[in-house]
This record gives sequence, C-alpha cells and structure tokens, in this order.
Amino acid sequence: NAGVTQTPKFRVLKTGQSMTLLCAQDMNHEYMYWYRQDPGMGLRLIHYSVGEGTTAKGEVPDGYNVSRLKKQNFLLGLESAAPSQTSVYFCATLPYLAGRTDTQYFGPGTRLTVL
Amino acid sequence: GIQVEQSPPDLILQEGANSTLRCNFSDSVNNLQWFHQNPWGQLINLFYIPSGTKQNGRLSATTVATERYSLLYISSSQTTDSGVYFCAVGDTGTASKLTFGTGTRLQVTL
Repeated sequence: NAGVTQTPKFRVLKTGQSMTLLCAQDMNHEYMYWYRQDPGMGLRLIHYSVGEGTTAKGEVPDGYNVSRLKKQNFLLGLESAAPSQTSVYFCATLPYLAGRTDTQYFGPGTRLTVL
Repeated sequence: GIQVEQSPPDLILQEGANSTLRCNFSDSVNNLQWFHQNPWGQLINLFYIPSGTKQNGRLSATTVATERYSLLYISSSQTTDSGVYFCAVGDTGTASKLTFGTGTRLQVTL
C-alpha cells in the first residue's frame, strides 16, 4: 500500500518547455488535489478533481492543465513553463464521505525549477 | 475565500520547553488539519480536528469552531519537532478544498 506517490521527485526545465507531473494513489479516494508551495508560504490550490473524468480550478490555476482519466491518477501539465512556476508541487487525496469530510493525504512533493 | 492566520510566525525554544501555536480563520469550516513540514519538506499529518480536542503523545490540539480558532500545544519539545507547522482549513462547500496559513517556523535548540 504505497498511499500517494508523485513522479518525478525533482525536475529542472528551461523556460518554454513542457512537462507532466503524475500523482498516483492506491486508496480508491474520490477526490484529488494539486497544490503548490512557494518559499516561505503555505500551500495554494491549483486544480482539483471530485471524481474520474472531472476537474475544476482552484486558487492559482493559470498556466496549468489537469486530467483525471483514471480514478487513481491525477496529472498536472505545464504547457510552456515559466520561472514563476518554480515551486514544490504537492498532490493530495481525500475519500468521499457523504455528509462529512476527513483528513487529506499528501504525497511527498515534486521540486520543480524553471530556468 | 477563507482567510487563515497563524501566530507566531517564528518561534525558538530550548529543548524541554512547551509552546502554543494559534490558528485563526475567518469563516465556518468543515475541516481543519494541522501539519508538520520537516526540514526535508515532507508534510506530516498531525491532527484532523474541525472541532474539539485531541491528543497524540506530546502534541495536542483544540479547535473552538464557534470562535474560529484552533490551538496546537507542543509539550517537552525536542529537536525533532523543528520545522514549520501549518494549519489548513476546508470550506463548507463540496470538495473540501483546503486553505493553508503561512505557518509557524519552530526551531528547537539544545
């Protein structure tokens, strides 16, 4: 039972390059989230999904796209990377519990540097 | 959106001392979590505590939802407690999106 895994762990890009971050979970959770953390700050929500085939914008969605083709995977794409997207990216999951919520489970993070 | 404020922003303690970290939030929430981010960047769930009091070893937390604040208590601090402590709250809408505070940076010295 791996929980929440993120691939890759580290990546360096040049401005204008594209890449995809993968979040995978084996807990059968309905909800999945992508957050970014900039130095000295808390995490901010980029996009989220409430189930397979669904996505929605969070607080800071510009410059990112997401897809949830399979329930266990949530992909975060950068089509044309910019230095402002240098950050640590965290994925999180949450089980669906009718009428209440629960702990969000976080992955180990992906450290991305855009030169 | 919900505003989350944490205090103090920085805290230096000697090993063995106790501390209280505070989290204030601006609206009703259905989720409140405390996290510890260790020096390697890993986020560790400490408590899921939208209301009430919980204890786990030397750590305990209390959330008073009606007054919109939560407290994290660390007793007999150890150097391994160093890192950043985040409070995050979830709104009452669907999807339980979390809003994070800017954290309290704790350094425990010998």
